[in-house]
Amino acid sequence: AQTVTQSQPEMSVQEAETVTLSCTYDTSESDYYLFWYKQPPSRQMILVIRQEAYKQQNATENRFSVNFQKAAKSFSLKISDSQLGDAAMYFCAYRSVNNDMRFGAGTRLTVKP
Amino acid sequence: DAMVIQNPRYQVTQFGKPVTLSCSQTLNHNVMYWYQQKSSQAPKLLFHYYDKDFNNEADTPDNFQSRRPNTSFCFLDIRSPGLGDAAMYLCATSRDQSSGTLKQFFGPGTRLTVL
Repeated sequence: AQTVTQSQPEMSVQEAETVTLSCTYDTSESDYYLFWYKQPPSRQMILVIRQEAYKQQNATENRFSVNFQKAAKSFSLKISDSQLGDAAMYFCAYRSVNNDMRFGAGTRLTVKP
Repeated sequence: DAMVIQNPRYQVTQFGKPVTLSCSQTLNHNVMYWYQQKSSQAPKLLFHYYDKDFNNEADTPDNFQSRRPNTSFCFLDIRSPGLGDAAMYLCATSRDQSSGTLKQFFGPGTRLTVL
């Protein structure tokens, strides 16, 4: 079974600075999808960014980008120019081709003004 | 516009009293998921439907059942809730991967309290 590991339970960043959240996963599949989700306190889960495993190019969405290392099974999220509204729980997730989903334990990001 | 709707948002039930949580979607997505999320933990997939095909996770207790009468609706039935079943229950939808659209839409969740 696939597993997703987020080794940083909590991270902190100064407003306007850059922070990187780590994620590793374990799978025997060659085709899959990876996601970062954001869950603000008492709020809905929101997709931040996604990556198809067959694409070598790292996904980018405005201030959010990933460093996808397929061989190392690593999928980190970089948040540039951090804003107060970025404070949330961030979950890394893996989706297999049969639609099965696995989430990491999450990283709580604090943004300091 | 609401796309994934969960009712009720808050549900209180008694120990052992059956409860049903509902989820509906306006997106016409063929995949629907139910997750259990306990405080400060990751969402744990309970099961998902691919159209009418039901896919149960191996470690989902038999106490949890699901029904999907049509594309738009999916229900989570907890036959005999225990105190350990108190959690947020999240419904999500997506298209299957062959559509090329991978985005998964989450509902706001139903917070279940068991007394």
